[in-house]
Amino acid sequence: AQSVAQPEDQVNVAEGNPLTVKCTYSVSGNPYLFWYVQYPNRGLQFLLKYITGDNLVKGSYGFEAEFNKSQTSFHLKKPSALVSDSALYFCAVRGMDTGRRALTFGSGTRLQVQP
Amino acid sequence: DVKVTQSSRYLVKRTGEKVFLECVQDMDHENMFWYRQDPGLGLRLIYFSYDVKMKEKGDIPEGYSVSREKKERFSLILESASTNQTSMYLCASSSDRDLYNEQFFGPGTRLTVL
Repeated sequence: AQSVAQPEDQVNVAEGNPLTVKCTYSVSGNPYLFWYVQYPNRGLQFLLKYITGDNLVKGSYGFEAEFNKSQTSFHLKKPSALVSDSALYFCAVRGMDTGRRALTFGSGTRLQVQP
Repeated sequence: DVKVTQSSRYLVKRTGEKVFLECVQDMDHENMFWYRQDPGLGLRLIYFSYDVKMKEKGDIPEGYSVSREKKERFSLILESASTNQTSMYLCASSSDRDLYNEQFFGPGTRLTVL
């Protein structure tokens, strides 16, 4: 079985400050890891993914994520938050060896960036 | 750009009604998925399909069925809607050309069952 944990329901950060949204995962074998963002009344938009290689992955809108195999984590980061980054963020995992085509999602973290 | 569309943004039905949610994708993707999204629970997989007329149960299939008669269209059916099926329903598609391809999502259908 595969699972994802997002330990924070909400993260508050001031505009211009760095932000981190946490994600840990559990999967058999090596993982494919994804971050998605959901703006109000919208579907999910893809931000970035880790497949293999460099542990630091860069994505859309200035976001990046760091894969840490020993800690089974894939935290989302941004050096300087914008008010427009306020949204719901989902981490997702798919095991390379499971044959399961679908992603398993975390419960989501709401990011609130204050002006 | 990949486009995934869903037939309704908002839907209100009564308990016991049969409900159809339609999803169409325009990128010739092999895989299509139905999720429901509930606060604090994230997205949970209901069913997915990897080819026409092929389907597999996800994590919470009870009370739902699906139909995929054409590659671009994937329908979710609530045979007899119940109030605990009030939720946001999200459709997604992905390609099998690379196993690690991301899923592309539709805008969602917010279903209320009274």
